[in-house]
Amino acid sequence: AQTVTQSQPEMSVQEAETVTLSCTYDTSENNYYLFWYKQPPSRQMILVIRQEAYKQQNATENRFSVNFQKAAKSFSLKISDSQLGDTAMYFCAFLTDLQGAQKLVFGQGTRLTINP
Amino acid sequence: KAGVTQTPRYLIKTRGQQVTLSCSPISGHRSVSWYQQTPGQGLQFLFEYFSETQRNKGNFPGRFSGRQFSNSRSEMNVSTLELGDSALYLCASSLLASPDTQYFGPGTRLTVL
Repeated sequence: AQTVTQSQPEMSVQEAETVTLSCTYDTSENNYYLFWYKQPPSRQMILVIRQEAYKQQNATENRFSVNFQKAAKSFSLKISDSQLGDTAMYFCAFLTDLQGAQKLVFGQGTRLTINP
Repeated sequence: KAGVTQTPRYLIKTRGQQVTLSCSPISGHRSVSWYQQTPGQGLQFLFEYFSETQRNKGNFPGRFSGRQFSNSRSEMNVSTLELGDSALYLCASSLLASPDTQYFGPGTRLTVL
């Protein structure tokens, strides 16, 4: 079974700083997808970034980028120039590439606070 | 394009009752997945539907059931509610039959007294 581990329950940084959230996962599969979602106090789960395991290039979305290390099964999220609106719970999630499988496996989350 | 919508947003029920939650996916999306979020267990997969067929089910008792209609709207039902069923229930939709990005609705907060 796949597992996702986020070792940082809470993090706090000053506005405009760069912060990195860690995520490791365990799987025996070769093809899969990894995601970072954010969940602000409104509780709406919002997609931050997606990475396909077969792609060597790390995904980027504006201020958000990932460091995907397939051999180490590591998938960290870097937020540059952090903003107050980035305050949220961040979840790392794994999705198998098996046909018909749409089951996301989530980590326990990292609560990120951006301080003014 | 409108996002995933869920109704109702909040529900209060008592033990033993049953409840039905509704989810309307993004237009054109045919896969709908349901998740339960609690402080203790985190986010757990309930089930997934595609073209009115349940393709995957998580490790939940038979009191949890669901269905999908021909317009891709989905409902989940919980019968004989227990205190431990209090949770945020999240619905997500995706476009493809094969694994694809899931987009979430705002959730339904269920409180069981």
